[in-house]
Amino acid sequence: EADIYQTPRYLVIGTGKKITLECSQTMGHDKMYWYQQDPGMELHLIHYSYGVNSTEKGDLSSESTVSRIRTEHFPLTLESARPSHTSQYLCASSDLGGSAYNEQFFGPGTRLTVL
Amino acid sequence: AQSVTQLDSQVPVFEEAPVELRCNYSSSVSVYLFWYVQYPNQGLQLLLKYLSGSTLVKGINGFEAEFNKSQTSFHLRKPSVHISDTAEYFCAVSSDGGSQGNLIFGKGTKLSVKP
Repeated sequence: EADIYQTPRYLVIGTGKKITLECSQTMGHDKMYWYQQDPGMELHLIHYSYGVNSTEKGDLSSESTVSRIRTEHFPLTLESARPSHTSQYLCASSDLGGSAYNEQFFGPGTRLTVL
Repeated sequence: AQSVTQLDSQVPVFEEAPVELRCNYSSSVSVYLFWYVQYPNQGLQLLLKYLSGSTLVKGINGFEAEFNKSQTSFHLRKPSVHISDTAEYFCAVSSDGGSQGNLIFGKGTKLSVKP
């Protein structure tokens, strides 16, 4: 079944640790996204990618980095986690299609807590 | 620049009552409009979308929304809600303009359906 997966679902980690949030999709989509979601706030786009070897920064500045070595895989990395990085991170994917109206499909999210 | 305003952060309603969740947007270009739903501990799921054509859009789970260009609104409605509709609802906008087709989200409205 075509789907989008995120691991881990929950992560509690100490300050200064390096972490990687995994996102994989079996939808066959070219475009992938990372959003940051805080309670009561908008979802903010922090990274997106049009395909392999493409990465772009989103509307919200983030200290995280991303890579896109395989079409189906779009991991997000924090080199040194801080309490300000505590948030929920949502991964999404869509057809590229050259249009703005392609539906985005979302993973279940990773809730990150940095102590 | 595009923006989305969801006028109510929380909407409590009794089961079987009608509900309207309000959304206003601002954009200088033609837009595409979306409503997503997020159930607890899950990712976002598309409820419905307006791309063009009829201004009344029907979605899943009995929801519908009406696009009003003059009032720049895209309010979500359901004539009779169920307990299972308790969730957070996000309005979003995109365009073929400078945002590269990326979605801009509102802050969300938490719908709480009480028996």
